[in-house]
Amino acid sequence: NAGVTQTPKFRILKIGQSMTLQCTQDMNHNYMYWYRQDPGMGLKLIYYSVGAGITDKGEVPNGYNVSRSTTEDFPLRLELAAPSQTSVYFCASSHRDRSYNEQFFGPGTRLTVL
Amino acid sequence: GQNIDQPTEMTATEGAIVQINCTYQTSGFNGLFWYQQHAGEAPTFLSYNVLDGLEEKGRFSSFLSRSKGYSYLLLKELQMKDSASYLCAGERSNDYKLSFGAGTTVTVRA
Repeated sequence: NAGVTQTPKFRILKIGQSMTLQCTQDMNHNYMYWYRQDPGMGLKLIYYSVGAGITDKGEVPNGYNVSRSTTEDFPLRLELAAPSQTSVYFCASSHRDRSYNEQFFGPGTRLTVL
Repeated sequence: GQNIDQPTEMTATEGAIVQINCTYQTSGFNGLFWYQQHAGEAPTFLSYNVLDGLEEKGRFSSFLSRSKGYSYLLLKELQMKDSASYLCAGERSNDYKLSFGAGTTVTVRA
């Protein structure tokens, strides 16, 4: 199993550009999450999904959108990128039916908005 | 959120023991996770506590007191490779989402 994979690893955007961060998991997990991590700060939840076709907002959803058309894929869309969106983005997945909700993280996407 | 609080930095010598404390808001709490994150890498799971007491896994142990809203991660026989950030995360009882602390950066010196 590859686990959770994310693309791209690095990206530089200009203010106002848009992009999609890709996330795929091959563990048949029902739950998927997007976090951002700023220097010296904890992981902040952007959006999450409890299954295909179901998404919900986390703590910091403004400026982002998600979709979950399949169990495997959970892309994060940035519209009109702003410098405040410069961060490291982590996708994670978990299998809520297990005894506990251990989340498995992808390697991250390092995004800079200039 | 769970208002997770943990120290910013700790330094210890190779072979020593370090204890990382974490406090959280008990209202709406279900369980407590510890993750390890090396610089530039993704967090990886270390432990999960839902009952009071100590859980031991090799050199790492984690403790939880539900009534006090307190947990700690104990790292024994420190090795250089243990230099990393350690994230405490509280799991909410209503939706099982995690609230992460800012992380404790542990530096192991020779």
